[in-house]
Amino acid sequence: DQQVKQNSPSLSVQEGRISILNCDYTNSMFDYFLWYKKYPAEGPTFLISISSIKDKNEDGRFTVFLNKSAKHLSLHIVPSQPGDSAVYFCAASERGSSNTGKLIFGQGTTLQVKP
Amino acid sequence: NAGVMQNPRHLVRRRGQEARLRCSPMKGHSHVYWYRQLPEEGLKFMVYLQKENIIDESGMPKERFSAEFPKEGPSILRIQQVVRGDSAAYFCASSPQGAGYNSPLHFGNGTRLTVT
Repeated sequence: DQQVKQNSPSLSVQEGRISILNCDYTNSMFDYFLWYKKYPAEGPTFLISISSIKDKNEDGRFTVFLNKSAKHLSLHIVPSQPGDSAVYFCAASERGSSNTGKLIFGQGTTLQVKP
Repeated sequence: NAGVMQNPRHLVRRRGQEARLRCSPMKGHSHVYWYRQLPEEGLKFMVYLQKENIIDESGMPKERFSAEFPKEGPSILRIQQVVRGDSAAYFCASSPQGAGYNSPLHFGNGTRLTVT
């Protein structure tokens, strides 16, 4: 039962263009969503988060959009840089467990930014 | 920059042996979490501990797995009588308080366990 799904295993974009990574979820009790970035042989690094009371959160080149009715969120990176090449994980936490660190992760999307 | 420290980075065990994975949280963090990543999958929550207490172990397999976070020293994830299916990357994360909106998890670089 995959409650958080990242249906695209990989994405390739040209440097300078926009990267859009997508994530779908099934549990309507999720109220907090995060994106993590992971390089090979390293742990995930927190990138950006959004609460369910918002539909957009922006931090520099990174913007996360949340569409609650569609149970969909996306991460936009613009402009994309070669150093952004990594695996991106979408994660969610459930109302009541949002302060326990019990995150549900998607399978990840490998982003390759070509120079 | 004392982040979350995990050791060993790589651990090889034969079937039936015990594996001990260690995690030292970031300075000032008293909340520790263990996650497991199987090949080609996302991270799966295993257990959440505070000093000397297990808060949530709903993701831990019922047998062979245990975790502790003593008053002094690192958190330990212990796997007894390992099997090939235990081969995975095990990540530890910490936070200064219960992870939440303003307190995202900080992950270590993981221990890659290989069972032969």
